[in-house]
Order: sequence, then structure tokens, then C-alpha cells
Amino acid sequence: SAVISQKPSRDICQRGTSLTIQCQVDSQVTMMFWYRQQPGQSLTLIATANQGSEATYESGFVIDKFPISRPNLTFSTLTVSNMSPEDSSIYLCSVENNRGSYTFGSGTRLTVV
Amino acid sequence: GESVGLHLPTLSVQEGDNSIINCAYSNSASDYFIWYKQESGKGPQFIIDIRSNMDKRQGQRVTVLLNKTVKHLSLQIAATQPGDSAVYFCAEKGSGTSYGKLTFGQGTILTVHP
Repeated sequence: SAVISQKPSRDICQRGTSLTIQCQVDSQVTMMFWYRQQPGQSLTLIATANQGSEATYESGFVIDKFPISRPNLTFSTLTVSNMSPEDSSIYLCSVENNRGSYTFGSGTRLTVV
Repeated sequence: GESVGLHLPTLSVQEGDNSIINCAYSNSASDYFIWYKQESGKGPQFIIDIRSNMDKRQGQRVTVLLNKTVKHLSLQIAATQPGDSAVYFCAEKGSGTSYGKLTFGQGTILTVHP
């Protein structure tokens, strides 16, 4: 399975600022996925990031709030923009592995104060 | 630290007992299902998967059952150990225009008492 390095692992940010989360994979992958896990809840897909094209966002998520970059087949970033306390969550990246299942990064625990 | 389990169903068992965690999925067209384990401060870890052409699959100490008629999945853990304590999620993989997208169930907190 692919190995994912995600950073930062956690951060405390002031409201109104932005945070960029990085996800590095040890192999080339076509699709990378970004999820949000709000406190006490399950995971919700934010967007799918494909190299060479704009990310595809799920209902309720917009590019202005969560811009995504995918410069190559092993790397992606998710930015949480103009943060408010409601953005406090765990953000996770994920890739499809060669058996058809999905591997997740360790997550970024974001607290907005 | 912050818990991810504040609003999730819970299951408490004694060490050595068998555990059964249930999940209802939403899309009858889904053809691939996965169980994940999430420990505090970590991302979800793959436990076992099953495709829709099967109704049962066994791994090491774990069994997944799939009932497509009622859109229900279960995860059975044999001889549960304290290290099994975690949040467990089922996920269904989308097909067609939703290919590759995972939809997660609400999760269950499993607590194993020594």
C-alpha cells in the first residue's frame, strides 16, 4: 500500500487566517482525496484532486474556501481559507491503493480560535 | 486530546468476548465495502473489505458480512483485545460518476475492558 505523509499533524490558528495542509505519497497515484472529520463525526469527502485539472468539489464545499493544488502525481495541498471556529476539524488525505482500497494519511488536527 | 467519538454509538465489551459492529449503507449500486479502524490521533486504518458478489469474508480475527437485501454490513471481531479499542467505520465505494469516492457510515466507538 502507498505510504502517505501529511503535515502539519496539528495546528492552532487565528480566525481569518489560512492554513495549507500538505500530502506527500511515496508512489504515483491518479486521484487523491481530501476529507474532513468534524468533532465527534464521521468523514466527509471535500474534493477529489487530479493532476493536471481542477479539483472536483462535493456539495457544500467550494474552491474559494478550500483551494487545492495537485502539481504532480505524488503531492497535493489543501488550503483552509479565511478560517472560523467552525472549520475546526481533522483534515485527511487519501489515495487509492493497488488493491482498490484506500489509504489515509494520519490527519491534520486544526483548531481555530 | 479531542475525542472523535462524542456523538457516535458505543459498544463496550470484555476482553476475550466477540464484538459485532453494524452498519447500514445507502446506495444499492455500491459494489465494494471497507471497514476501517481509527485510533485516537490517527487516520483510518484498513481492516477488511468485501465486494458485492460475496456475502462473507474472513480475515485474521475479523469477519465481514454483507446483506445486500437490506443494505447492511457487519464486522465481527473474535476474542476482542484492549488494543481493538477504537472507532470503527464502514465505507462504501462509489461507482459510475461517483467512482472512487468513499461514503462513510457514522462510526461506532468500541471499548474493550480488560
